[in-house]
Amino acid sequence: SSELTQDPAVSVALGQTAKITCQGDILRSYYASWYQQKAGQAPVLVIYGKNNRPSGIPDRFSGSSSGNTASLTITGAQAEDEADYYCKSRDSSDNRHVVFAGGTKLTVL
Amino acid sequence: EVQLVESGGGVIQPGGSLRLSCAASGFTVSSNYMSWVRQAPGKGLEWVSVIYSSDSTYYADSVKGRFTISRDNSKNTVYLQMNSLGADDTAVYYCARDRDYCSGGSCYSRYFDYWGQGTLVIVSS
Repeated sequence: SSELTQDPAVSVALGQTAKITCQGDILRSYYASWYQQKAGQAPVLVIYGKNNRPSGIPDRFSGSSSGNTASLTITGAQAEDEADYYCKSRDSSDNRHVVFAGGTKLTVL
Repeated sequence: EVQLVESGGGVIQPGGSLRLSCAASGFTVSSNYMSWVRQAPGKGLEWVSVIYSSDSTYYADSVKGRFTISRDNSKNTVYLQMNSLGADDTAVYYCARDRDYCSGGSCYSRYFDYWGQGTLVIVSS
């Protein structure tokens, strides 16, 4: 299966910019989608496609991609943004499957 | 309003079977892809299975041959039949609506835009 990798933890000062990255060869061909999961809750989609936010997601969340790396940027991080973030894409060995990266724990200081 | 409600989780002995349900409202499951995703305690998300609107089904290698995804269009519900359960199957199981991101006639990725609240499956003797 395709492998996607994320840094396990990222920290950001309140109001500053956080960047969470996801690496994998499949990202050269397919966009990642990003999910926020707060403790004890179901995941929530925050970014999909080239850089699309679902309704209700603040515009401080944005996505980008370059080469084999997808990035989720939170500009002006808020305390409520503290959560686990997962990227997901298609599986390079079978693109009918999808694969998640291991997730990044974002701490807002 | 789109809503997904999972049910059917519980404690099951190793080797046992369980069927999870995902009742949808606000959209038609038969017109969409629907996926199951699980999360073991303290671990990350793992995709489990998908059923396409065409009725095609696909499974992660970890569950292939043991799990079966299906749907009942009359009930607007998706199911996950889980057999030969082992300790590694202990997890919260989520269902999610699974969409294609397409632009300019080409499709570039899939994303899960709605998730249920999850149902906990514990495999233990």
